[in-house]
This record gives sequence, C-alpha cells and structure tokens, in this order.
Amino acid sequence: KNEVEQSPQNLTAQEGEFITINCSYSVGISALHWLQQHPGGGIVSLFMLSSGKKKHGRLIATINIQEKHSSLHITASHPRDSAVYICAASIQGAQKLVFGQGTRLTINP
Amino acid sequence: ETGVTQTPRHLVMGMTNKKSLKCEQHLGHNAMYWYKQSAKKPLELMFVYNFKEQTENNSVPSRFSPECPNSSHLFLHLHTLQPEDSALYLCASSQVGGTTDTQYFGPGTRLTVL
Repeated sequence: KNEVEQSPQNLTAQEGEFITINCSYSVGISALHWLQQHPGGGIVSLFMLSSGKKKHGRLIATINIQEKHSSLHITASHPRDSAVYICAASIQGAQKLVFGQGTRLTINP
Repeated sequence: ETGVTQTPRHLVMGMTNKKSLKCEQHLGHNAMYWYKQSAKKPLELMFVYNFKEQTENNSVPSRFSPECPNSSHLFLHLHTLQPEDSALYLCASSQVGGTTDTQYFGPGTRLTVL
C-alpha cells in the first residue's frame, strides 16, 4: 500500500461540474501539496497546505490533519482543467516528497 | 530563461550509449532534485542535492550518476541503461530553510531506451 493514496484514478465530467479529488496519507507530514501535470509532462504546484483550506480562483484545497485526508475541489470545471492532479506529502523531518499515483481528470465540453 | 529548464526534452538511446540530462534553475534556490516518472507509477524521488551536496540517494542503480557542480545546475549521467529505465525524468528545485518548501519542476526529459 502506498503511503499516499488518491481517488479516483480517473475522472471524466462535463464542463461546469463540481469536481472533487481525494488524497489520504499514512505518514507524518509537514505539508501536503497538490500538483497539476499537463500532457507533455510539465508539473505546476497548485497548493501547499499544512492546515485548513486554501483557495485560488476556481480551485479549493482542504486538509484534515486528524483524519490524514486532503481534497482538491474545482468549481465550474472547464476543459482546460483536464490534466493529471497529483497529491504529494512532505515527510516530517525529511526533505522529500512522497507522491500519490495521480488522478487523470478529463472535462468534456 | 525563467524557472527550471531541462535539456534535452526528448532522448532516445541504446543500452550501450552514454548520455547526460541537464537541469538549470533560475530561481536562486539551494536544493535540487531528480525524479523519475514511469508509466502508471507515482513519481519517485531519485536524488536530492542541498547546497551542492548529495543528501539523498533513494536506492538508485549506479547506472544513474548525478552531478551538481553548483546550486544552479544539476546533471544526470546515464550509462548502460535498460529498457525499463524508459521514463520521464523530472528535475525540481526549492529553497530549503525558507518559509515554504514548494518545489518548482522543470518540463522533464522523456527518455526512451532501446
């Protein structure tokens, strides 16, 4: 079992739908990251969270430290949101990230 | 150039070839990383360099040899690779000891080993 698990692995939705991607982790973390990877490989950091909730535009990320769970939400989804979304945990006391397997999101027009 | 750049973007090599991947960061960061992303697998950390010193080697085979001549440049030297080493190799950088440990990624080098 991976230390960081994401669900679902694949998600297809229609434009405008509200999207939720989940991440659970089993290790002690100093922060939780959400990353976006577009076709071609480039990775962009969306959020870094250690508690609570962050919002950037139509993206919202939440974390529950007690439950070791984080969610990424996309409101009013758009085809340009189609990408792989990756959850990554900064391991407490170590300078390393442990990654989930990613969620491939496809938004159809 | 801004951010993190990687060259080449695509590389095809035979199992007996020797090649090098290059990464350069223009962010003034003090730490750099190599990651491997194989098909249908999570990203895997390979190496970490802090202030040019290697601080993490995640059980990577010796056919991968990293080099960090200064805090802005990172190389990954490849020799006698296997077809299963075909993957996307991503470089990242971060500022250790700052207010955030956000890592900034390069576009990756897609490597195919024949």
